[in-house]
Formats: sequence, structure tokens, C-alpha cells
Amino acid sequence: GAVVSQHPSRVICKSGTSVKIECRSLDFQATTMFWYRQFPKQSLMLMATSNEGSKATYEQGVEKDKFLINHASLTLSTLTVTSAHPEDSSFYICSARGDQSYNEQFFGPGTRLTVL
Amino acid sequence: DAKTTQPPSMDCAEGRAANLPCNHSTISGNEYVYWYRQIHSQGPQYIIHGLKNNETNEMASLIITEDRKSSTLILPHATLRDTAVYYCIVRGFGNEKLTFGTGTRLTIIP
Repeated sequence: GAVVSQHPSRVICKSGTSVKIECRSLDFQATTMFWYRQFPKQSLMLMATSNEGSKATYEQGVEKDKFLINHASLTLSTLTVTSAHPEDSSFYICSARGDQSYNEQFFGPGTRLTVL
Repeated sequence: DAKTTQPPSMDCAEGRAANLPCNHSTISGNEYVYWYRQIHSQGPQYIIHGLKNNETNEMASLIITEDRKSSTLILPHATLRDTAVYYCIVRGFGNEKLTFGTGTRLTIIP
């Protein structure tokens, strides 16, 4: 159990366009979802935390108007990279947690974004 | 959450036990030790966690020192598929965030 999926797995887009990444918890209800970004040869950096039905909480330095997060249901969160630029090219990973504070985070397989 | 220190890289022969150390000397009483791993170009995978007692599951064992200032993750019979970056993370109970450090890049050698 505890499977998290992401779609798409890879996306290439032109500079200036917007890209939406979906994160789904397939077999449990995720009250909280997290979005991370990972640049090559670096560790994962938390971008934001989203709770179902409320606004996301962004980490310091992450532009909330550029990285739009929606967590409209207990199984789906989306990250939209608006007006993407080459420096936004990265590996985006989501994770999901159930409704108990001690529940583990389960990670999705990641989405490789390349902005040309 | 307490900061952790791990060696940047380690090698281990296939079939041998891989012992990955982690130092967390500033850990406080309500903080757990978690281990995740990340195989290249995949999302992290949960391995094991513990508070103060040693823990074992189907993947690994976690040995925490009595003073809780360090721990060791043990993969009992390493295979090539265990090649990954291993992250040791300290997290307080009820704290929902995971803060990833640089981890240890474990390479299993045939």
C-alpha cells in the first residue's frame, strides 16, 4: 500500500509556458502533501506544504506566484510552474502523508522538467 | 530538528553487510531518526525509523547508540540494487517536515 504517483514523469516545455504536475495518492487519503525540488547532484529541497482544502505554505525563497499549488481533494495535489524559464528545469518530487501526525511520508517517482 | 552528519560516500562489496553511520549529536528526547534512500532519478523510499530502541524490518536494521547521538543503518546482505543515496533525517514527533541533508552515496561493488 501507500503508493503515490506523479504525472507526467517527464515534460519538456518552451520558456514562458506553464506546466502542471499532478501528484496522486492511490490507496490512501493524503491530508498533507509536500512538494520538493532537486537540482542535479544536490539534495531534495522542500518547496511547500499543502493541506487539503487550504492554501499551501511555502518555504522561504520559493515564489508562491510562480509555483502554484492546489490540493483540492484528499488524493490529488497539483503544482503549476508558471512562465517557466530554463532555471526552473529540475526534478520535482511530491510526497503524501495520511491524517495521523506520525504517519510516514510516501514519495512519488518524480517529474523531470526541462525548460528550453 | 537536529542536524545530521553522514560520510559523503561509501563502497560495499555485494553480499556483505553495509553499515552506514549517522551522527546526530544534538538530537533531543522527542526526535526520531529516519532513514530514506534515493535510487538514481527516483523519489525517495522510506527504509526505517526509530526513537531509542534498535529496530529491524525486512529491509534493514537500525542501531541507535544509548546516548542517541549516533546511529547506524545496516543492510545485512547488500545487492547491486541497494546502490543509492541514503539519507539520515532527525524529525520531531508531530513535525511533518523532512529536511534532507546531503546523504551518503552507497555503491555496491560486484
